[in-house]
Amino acid sequence: EDQVTQSPEALRLQEGESSSLNCSYTVSGLRGLFWYRQDPGKGPEFLFTLYSAGEEKEKERLKATLTKKESFLHITAPKPEDSATYLCAVQAGMGRRALTFGSGTRLQVQP
Amino acid sequence: EAGVAQSPRYKIIEKRQSVAFWCNPISGHATLYWYQQILGQGPKLLIQFQNNGVVDDSQLPKDRFSAERLKGVDSTLKIQPAKLEDSAVYLCASSSPRGRTDTQYFGPGTRLTVL
Repeated sequence: EDQVTQSPEALRLQEGESSSLNCSYTVSGLRGLFWYRQDPGKGPEFLFTLYSAGEEKEKERLKATLTKKESFLHITAPKPEDSATYLCAVQAGMGRRALTFGSGTRLQVQP
Repeated sequence: EAGVAQSPRYKIIEKRQSVAFWCNPISGHATLYWYQQILGQGPKLLIQFQNNGVVDDSQLPKDRFSAERLKGVDSTLKIQPAKLEDSAVYLCASSSPRGRTDTQYFGPGTRLTVL
């Protein structure tokens, strides 16, 4: 059974204070690892897909990396508008295309 | 390009009542998903459609939940009768796989409260 565990559950940062969110996973043949951002009252918004160990993707202040067992979402010099829940999900490579999500990390960036 | 549309956005019902949610995917997306997101948790798959057909409904509580996707476009998810534990956000997502790229795009969700 595919499993995704995210840590920490919640993170409070000061504006400009860089940090990383962790996503550990077990999956039967990884097709892709996805990061989404979810604001209160909204659906998840796609950020990145990573396909193989060693791959990195960047978008503004966010950088996602992937190893064979975990992924990190690095946030550099965050701003208050980066406050959201960040969800990690895996897609197995054995035909089933549905995503298995972690419970998310709630990030709060204070000015 | 228009995103995934869902309605209603909010619904409050009494337990044992029935409720239906509607989803219109991104134009041209053959794959449609319904997920349930309980407060404080990540979304969990209920059912996956490929065009008109069901691909995966292994986690759908079939004694009370049903879903259909007529003509391979819009989809409806129904709960009958509702239980207190069905209180959640119901998310619809769609995708159009191309090669190894298979990004799912989500709608805003329907927040269901069962009293």
